[in-house]
Amino acid sequence: DTAVSQTPKYLVTQMGNDKSIKCEQNLGHDTMYWYKQDSKKFLKIMFSYNNKELIINETVPNRFSPKSPDKAHLNLHINSLELGDSAVYFCASSQGAGVLDTQYFGPGTRLTVL
Amino acid sequence: AQKVTQAQTEISVVEKEDVTLDCVYETRDTTYYLFWYKQPPSGELVFLIRRNSFDEQNEISGRYSWNFQKSTSSFNFTITASQVVDSAVYFCALSKKGNQFYFGTGTSLTVIP
Repeated sequence: DTAVSQTPKYLVTQMGNDKSIKCEQNLGHDTMYWYKQDSKKFLKIMFSYNNKELIINETVPNRFSPKSPDKAHLNLHINSLELGDSAVYFCASSQGAGVLDTQYFGPGTRLTVL
Repeated sequence: AQKVTQAQTEISVVEKEDVTLDCVYETRDTTYYLFWYKQPPSGELVFLIRRNSFDEQNEISGRYSWNFQKSTSSFNFTITASQVVDSAVYFCALSKKGNQFYFGTGTSLTVIP
């Protein structure tokens, strides 16, 4: 059984388009996250949701909007895609939002903007 | 400012050699957690270990061991008798208050058969 799943695994699109990446976790966790891993492998947190409420919003362009219909899902919508958005996006989840909560990651979505 | 430093960007070892991956962290919090994750060529991130700031006892799991030293703010990871399947990028991470999660830049390990 997949714990944290993301769709699609690969996404190739043109500049200016709007796209979404879906994430689902079946671990019963309360907190979900989105990370961006750039071409240099650097991982940076973008958003965190705890019980459907945003608790971290690092400085990312407002073209990126997370949407959480329920605590098992955290989708990432990206408007007006730019070349610099090309990266691997990882979804993760943890039981709670505390410092001791281990984060478990999805397989990643490789986004390529042409 | 970076909170986690992995100074070794790439390491190559011959199979069966031991290898240590360094991790140095920076935080003013007294309560924090340190993690290691493995990212194999397939791309997924695999959780390896979590240690809290109050437990400096070294951890051993099979061929993997971790050395946590608060005095030097280090949390190093050693693989004994390395295998080709150990080839991956390894990330050290720090979690602190508010679940701020900081990753190091990763160390790419190549184990040569």
